[in-house]
Amino acid sequence: SQTIHQWPATLVQPVGSPLSLECTVEGTSNPNLYWYRQAAGRGLQLLFYSVGIGQISSEVPQNLSASRPQDRQFILSSKKLLLSDSGFYLCAWSVQGGGTDTQYFGPGTRLTVL
Amino acid sequence: SQQGEEDPQALSIQEGENATMNCSYKTSINNLQWYRQNSGRGLVHLILIRSNEREKHSGRLRVTLDTSKKSSSLLITASRAADTASYFCATAGFQKLVFGTGTRLLVSP
Repeated sequence: SQTIHQWPATLVQPVGSPLSLECTVEGTSNPNLYWYRQAAGRGLQLLFYSVGIGQISSEVPQNLSASRPQDRQFILSSKKLLLSDSGFYLCAWSVQGGGTDTQYFGPGTRLTVL
Repeated sequence: SQQGEEDPQALSIQEGENATMNCSYKTSINNLQWYRQNSGRGLVHLILIRSNEREKHSGRLRVTLDTSKKSSSLLITASRAADTASYFCATAGFQKLVFGTGTRLLVSP
């Protein structure tokens, strides 16, 4: 069966520090991968998605970036965090070619920028 | 911008009652999906209804889709305290989903 992991689960970082969040998927090959951010009490905002290694589409211009160094690994990064980067970050995957079908979410990372 | 808008934003009911949540959207869709999120957790897929379907059932869940009105509803019958969560609709376009802001459901014992 397929599983998706995210770490860390929680993170508290000072303004201006770097960020690296990791997401890995097991039990499937060549998935579509997604990064979302959820502000407190709000819906999900799509940040990045990837249909293959090295292929990243950015949805919202910001100081975040994403990379996909391996088929089932998706990384969200920042060189310098802003207060507004605080939120709940969710990674998700879907079957390749099924970008509009079911997405499966990881447990999320709670990021607080102070 | 967010495609789906849920209504109501919050809903409080007693166990055993039915809960109905609505979702409106603006553009053509391939399908519409409903997800559930327990507090502080990831989202869990509940049900998918395609644009050529009008109604779908899964256990205590019933979803309707009216493409002429660009709206969908999620009905949870005989609710339980464990149904307490936020519920999101997501509309499917090209290669991605767009999520609404969600309905927070509280089911009291």
